[in-house]
Amino acid sequence: DIQMTQSPSSLSASVGDRVTITCRASQSISNYLNWYQQKPGKAPKLLIYTASSLQSGVPSRFSGSGSGTDFTLTISGLQPEDFATYYCQQSYSTPWTFGQGTKVEIK
Amino acid sequence: QVQLQESGPGLVKPSETLSLTCTVSGGSVSSGSYYWSWIRQPPGKGLEWIGYIYYSGSTNYNPSLTSRVTISVDTSKNQFSLKLSSVTAADTAVYYCARGGFYQAGTLDYWGQGTLVTVSS
Repeated sequence: DIQMTQSPSSLSASVGDRVTITCRASQSISNYLNWYQQKPGKAPKLLIYTASSLQSGVPSRFSGSGSGTDFTLTISGLQPEDFATYYCQQSYSTPWTFGQGTKVEIK
Repeated sequence: QVQLQESGPGLVKPSETLSLTCTVSGGSVSSGSYYWSWIRQPPGKGLEWIGYIYYSGSTNYNPSLTSRVTISVDTSKNQFSLKLSSVTAADTAVYYCARGGFYQAGTLDYWGQGTLVTVSS
């Protein structure tokens, strides 16, 4: 299985901050990397697919980059509704696997 | 707008079989090149992909669960289902169904709201 490791596991930030979350794969996955946002009691929501493509309806303050083994999710100008847990997921090979999550909390 | 809705018992006894159904609306489980997945999330923990059924009926399961999992599709009802046998407390989780394949097979763009299944006697 491909292991996905996110860092940090949690972070505290203020409204308006720029936030960066990293995700590392245990082997190269090209650009088969997706990012999801999950709020308490809700299903995950697709934000970014193929490492850097923004899902329809997702605000442009969200962006993704990377290829191979190292990837980044950036939120430029954190908004109150962005406080949530973020997961990366590889769709390069089955079993599809997720990172352990990064919880973004209010400072 | 595609919508998915999970249904099934919220409580299952140890050693029994967990059975859930996902009803799809706004789209067809048998059209297009879509992959219909099940994912689970134990309380307070991360996400685990369980497996998928392709629109053609072929399946792919997580090796960690393959001996206990069956995913099937009922095109007449526009549903797909999950069966997980010999459950233990470790199978207690919120179970989600989701669609992949619009971008890539494993990119899950539509999700159900999730249903909590507790394994307990």
